[in-house]
Amino acid sequence: EPEVTQTPSHQVTQMGQEVILRCVPISNHLYFYWYRQILGQKVEFLVSFYNNEISEKSEIFDDQFSVERPDGSNFTLKIRSTKLEDSAMYFCASLQGIQETQYFGPGTRLLVL
Amino acid sequence: AQSVTQLDSHVSVSEGTPVLLRCNYSSSYSPSLFWYVQHPNKGLQLLLKYTSAATLVKGINGFEAEFKKSETSFHLTKPSAHMSDAAEYFCVVSATYNQGGKLIFGQGTELSVKP
Repeated sequence: EPEVTQTPSHQVTQMGQEVILRCVPISNHLYFYWYRQILGQKVEFLVSFYNNEISEKSEIFDDQFSVERPDGSNFTLKIRSTKLEDSAMYFCASLQGIQETQYFGPGTRLLVL
Repeated sequence: AQSVTQLDSHVSVSEGTPVLLRCNYSSSYSPSLFWYVQHPNKGLQLLLKYTSAATLVKGINGFEAEFKKSETSFHLTKPSAHMSDAAEYFCVVSATYNQGGKLIFGQGTELSVKP
């Protein structure tokens, strides 16, 4: 069964460093999402992406964040200058069409020191 | 705005006994509702979804949920718990009518299953 994959599974970085989290959505899916889950808190929406542009973003998704689909298969989340409070599990999700279901990747656990 | 409230942060049952995880929703239109499960160190797996068809929805691993509009509830049940059901369960609502939008998660319910 097709699945969403994410790399790396874990990443440790120093505050102020840039990180890029990578996702490979299911191949025929058209809508892409990033969510995050800070330890002990609920899963929160960050951004959605369709037709090569951001369709919606949350208040969390400030200028330090960006997303890209550089090559038609990968979907990346970049954090330009990480802060301690960016430490979280980041989930990528994809959706084939608007009546379908979002499928989630296994997540990348980011730790900012 | 759409929202979901999971009424219990933690539920503990014995193996072989019924499971009930409670969820109430708020929505300005007929919602799309989901239950996702997260096993330790794993991603989010869809258990079941309601999208305005049958109000009793059957999912994977013997779970089911009933959409009750009058009570604005979408509780998750299973007749007999198994040790492998121990996980975090999330009640989720789609923020837009057509499901293409973001998902809004409840706070999660941790299910423990005792032998």
